[in-house]
Amino acid sequence: GENVEQHPSTLSVQEGDSAVIKCTYSDSASNYFPWYKQELGKRPQLIIDIRSNVGEKKDQRIAVTLNKTAKHFSLHITETQPEDSAVYFCAASVYNQGGKLIFGQGTELSVKP
Amino acid sequence: GAVVSQHPSWVICKSGTSVKIECRSLDFQATTMFWYRQFPKQSLMLMATSNEGSKATYEQGVEKDKFLINHASLTLSTLTVTSAHPEDSSFYICSARPTGGAGYTFGSGTRLTVV
Repeated sequence: GENVEQHPSTLSVQEGDSAVIKCTYSDSASNYFPWYKQELGKRPQLIIDIRSNVGEKKDQRIAVTLNKTAKHFSLHITETQPEDSAVYFCAASVYNQGGKLIFGQGTELSVKP
Repeated sequence: GAVVSQHPSWVICKSGTSVKIECRSLDFQATTMFWYRQFPKQSLMLMATSNEGSKATYEQGVEKDKFLINHASLTLSTLTVTSAHPEDSSFYICSARPTGGAGYTFGSGTRLTVV
């Protein structure tokens, strides 16, 4: 089955700097790659997603890149702000076949003012 | 947008008792729901896939006799933790995929504490 590896587990940046979180997946059939932000005790919130027919997607300060050949995808947050501090998870699924969403281990991002 | 309602949001139960958690899709039909468990400072681990009208598919290492899943209608899936023990204390959360390719919708989660 699918296995998603996420790095780093913790990331500390200064306000205004960029943050990059990387994930690799094992199942070449995976075609949907969402990123979630989760606050303590809350449900995951989708911040951006990408499908396998696209190499990059951007939404304001957030971007995701996908390399299907290497089976890795990354989250890029620019101009970080203290309110970006949270735990971020990547995930992967074969969306149109069963659709089990498998999560990475998570990254705790801390943005210092 | 698509909403999944999960209840209860938190529950405390005594060791040896059973607890039922419900997830309802409010504005769409969910033929499939996914159940996750999340321990503190860990990731969401998929426990099982719930299929309407058929048996659930459990992930390796998940005891199907302990975590009973029922998906009797297109809008309701339930997870029952039977004979709960303190090590079952965790955050349980369900998810579904609304039609139209709009990704996954999550319930608000249930914090289970077994004392």
